[in-house]
Amino acid sequence: DVKVTQSSRYLVKRTGEKVFLECVQDMDHENMFWYRQDPGLGLRLIYFSYDVKMKEKGDIPEGYSVSREKKERFSLILESASTNQTSMYLCASSHSGYANTGELFFGEGSRLTVL
Amino acid sequence: SQQGEEDPQALSIQEGENATMNCSYKTSINNLQWYRQNSGRGLVHLILIRSNEREKHSGRLRVTLDTSKKSSSLLITASRAADTASYFCATDQSYSGAGSYQLTFGKGTKLSVIP
Repeated sequence: DVKVTQSSRYLVKRTGEKVFLECVQDMDHENMFWYRQDPGLGLRLIYFSYDVKMKEKGDIPEGYSVSREKKERFSLILESASTNQTSMYLCASSHSGYANTGELFFGEGSRLTVL
Repeated sequence: SQQGEEDPQALSIQEGENATMNCSYKTSINNLQWYRQNSGRGLVHLILIRSNEREKHSGRLRVTLDTSKKSSSLLITASRAADTASYFCATDQSYSGAGSYQLTFGKGTKLSVIP
């Protein structure tokens, strides 16, 4: 079974802490994405990456950074967590190429609470 | 920015009834996708319809697309309690040039199927 694995399902952190959310996919996908999901706001794109060491800002990149050192791994970093970053974080991946339809494969999500 | 908007926000039906959810979008698209999310889990791809298609079926799912009205509908026939979930439409907002599409999600319709 193809899989996108997020390292932590639930995290509780304190304001100001540095937080790492890890995502690994085993489908050899070129593209990886980080979304956050909040009630009433739907899914919003934070950052995405089309290749190793490449990153692009999504709709809401402020307060976040990412790292893609290997093709299968895409990390989301909160340099100094704040309470308004309490949310569900979803990682996704997809194939690239002109035949790609953009179908995303999602991980199970990481629910982060910042106190 | 939000591209697709689902309607209604919430829908409650009896088992065996049909469920219809609608999605409207603003700009031209190459394809439109529907995803399902069980509570607290990641999203799962259900079906994709291309801009040159008007209707598509997959099991109990029927999707229609009207590009002139910039709208799509998802019909689930003979619903089951296990269909209880949130349903999202997603459209390809832009072509990155790297061979992939960036999807933009609506806020979702929460479907409850009562046994």
